[in-house]
Amino acid sequence: NAGVMQNPRHLVRRRGQEARLRCSPMKGHSHVYWYRQLPEEGLKFMVYLQKENIIDESGMPKERFSAEFPKEGPSILRIQQVVRGDSAAYFCASSPGLGDNYGYTFGSGTRLTVV
Amino acid sequence: KNEVEQSPQNLTAQEGEFITINCSYSVGISALHWLQQHPGGGIVSLFMLSSGKKKHGRLIATINIQEKHSSLHITASHPRDSAVYICAVSNYGGSQGNLIFGKGTKLSVKP
Repeated sequence: NAGVMQNPRHLVRRRGQEARLRCSPMKGHSHVYWYRQLPEEGLKFMVYLQKENIIDESGMPKERFSAEFPKEGPSILRIQQVVRGDSAAYFCASSPGLGDNYGYTFGSGTRLTVV
Repeated sequence: KNEVEQSPQNLTAQEGEFITINCSYSVGISALHWLQQHPGGGIVSLFMLSSGKKKHGRLIATINIQEKHSSLHITASHPRDSAVYICAVSNYGGSQGNLIFGKGTKLSVKP
């Protein structure tokens, strides 16, 4: 039973390009969460999704960032027109139900570098 | 002041020592989480607790709800325990997954 799979592990983008980060939750997990870890800073919540629904996006920057969790396939975090300040580690977590009841399983993260 | 504070920020220990990492929080919580992150690596969830004490192998986590304080203990520490340990809380009434994280404690265990 594979854990939470994130790809790519490392992603390099030039300023102005788009970055697409993928997260496949654990089998049977229908709740997905995205977090960002800026260099030398703590983790910050970005967005909580269930299949085909965004439940809480209060941590998402208002512009250029979007997330989806389609009926089929992985959850995608999309960053348009990347800037240097987007360089960070992005982590995904999943849970089979409410996270505070079941706990959270994290992935290995995607390290985004904007050059 | 951050809502979740950890101490110490950095900790160096000799192999075999007993280690304690502290976490204090200022919000009402529904659960507290201890996470482990190896350099360049992913995040592993160690404990989720809302009261009392939990034990897994050489790791013990305790929480005092009245004092808004939790501790993570490592007995008989080993170099492979070297990692960053992160405390996070689920804000009571907040949405699922909207965790508030501490800045982490970097532990280095020397052989």
